[in-house]
Amino acid sequence: GESVGLHLPTLSVQEGDNSIINCAYSNSASDYFIWYKQESGKGPQFIIDIRSNMDKRQGQRVTVLLNKTVKHLSLQIAATQPGDSAVYFCAETSGYSTLTFGKGTMLLVSP
Amino acid sequence: DSGVTQTPKHLITATGQRVTLRCSPRSGDLSVYWYQQSLDQGLQFLIQYYNGEERAKGNILERFSAQQFPDLHSELNLSSLELGDSALYFCASSVDPASYGYTFGSGTRLTVV
Repeated sequence: GESVGLHLPTLSVQEGDNSIINCAYSNSASDYFIWYKQESGKGPQFIIDIRSNMDKRQGQRVTVLLNKTVKHLSLQIAATQPGDSAVYFCAETSGYSTLTFGKGTMLLVSP
Repeated sequence: DSGVTQTPKHLITATGQRVTLRCSPRSGDLSVYWYQQSLDQGLQFLIQYYNGEERAKGNILERFSAQQFPDLHSELNLSSLELGDSALYFCASSVDPASYGYTFGSGTRLTVV
């Protein structure tokens, strides 16, 4: 597959560990946030979203935490699997504006 | 398969040339977005169309243009290509501009030599 980010921050974990990927955003007006997963050779895939009136949202094996005070977003992946290896992007928006993506973090999961 | 179709998957062309990238949105989606992804710039928003009309513009160069046709497919035209235009170009679609769960295609890898 194609590499999408040779210069990205990288998080390396062992299979079965919990992973935490962080994202800082700059626009205090942003009220909707999404985490995307991008595997090699593919487009970004929606994982989970959260609105600014919430501080936590859980999905299947994933949890997103939002701290509006410090403009910080995190994605927690429980029991990380080799198939979770990918680049993860946070994206933000406000009102009807388009999504603005962060730089991304590469997650490498070792068996 | 996300339902968003992009063609071609790969494109190699020379500097100064012009290329057209094509996108068919997911069935039922009226809004189309184009993003450029390069190694050092991440995913950069280029332009958005909704039901045939330009809706929003991002960091799109004047050498680039796009349109959305009545059948809702979209084309991104890149002209006077430069080496720095080499990147992955993604198309995404959503039902309407208020829907933020964009569905992305697999992208077109453009290499300018």
